[in-house]
Amino acid sequence: QVQLVESGGGVVQPGRSLRLSCAASGFTFSSYAMHWVRQAPGKGLEWVAVISSDGSNKNYADSVKGRFTISRDISKNTMYLQMDSLRAEDTAVYFCGRDHRRQAVAGTFVDYWGPGTLVTVSS
Amino acid sequence: DIQMTQSPSSLSASVGDRVTITCRASHSITSFVNWYQQKPGKAPNLLIYAASSLQSGVPSRFSGSGSGTDFTLTISSLQPEDFATYYCQQSFSTPLTFGGGTKVEI
Repeated sequence: QVQLVESGGGVVQPGRSLRLSCAASGFTFSSYAMHWVRQAPGKGLEWVAVISSDGSNKNYADSVKGRFTISRDISKNTMYLQMDSLRAEDTAVYFCGRDHRRQAVAGTFVDYWGPGTLVTVSS
Repeated sequence: DIQMTQSPSSLSASVGDRVTITCRASHSITSFVNWYQQKPGKAPNLLIYAASSLQSGVPSRFSGSGSGTDFTLTISSLQPEDFATYYCQQSFSTPLTFGGGTKVEI
């Protein structure tokens, strides 16, 4: 069955970097776009970024553009989120999700989710 | 960016009640709306996509409707396991955006 597992979360100081990973199994990883979505403590969901199935197309939320980089390694069935210049407001649980198609075009949605990993940005 | 305004932000209901949650988009998004359910400490779960299509495995008491800018999620007869927070999301264009959420409480 489809399984997604995030890792790499933890406590980091403002201005520092962190890389999250999302390990995928149970499906053909190279056939689906993938997303990152986050949720600050006690707050709602915020979409962060998406990458197409072949890694050629990437889109970001305005709040992370220029600081975060989404990527994927098809040989390792793993997606990544490189987070640089971290701020207190980046503190959140980060979920990875599988899109139902190769590209996140109009009509896209996430049909499978990982359990999330907590990132805390604090001095 | 397209803003999604969800209402109410919370509601109290009883088992067996009919519950309606609304979502309004800042621009027309045709039928590109998804609805997710989230329980505390868990990942979201897709209920409805393309405004009215029921995701596989989701009970038929959940339904969605609307087009353009106004959308509705309806739970026809609330069950104990439905107490959760519900989010709409527009999938018309990136950045994808969520509504603020509706917490359904007993």
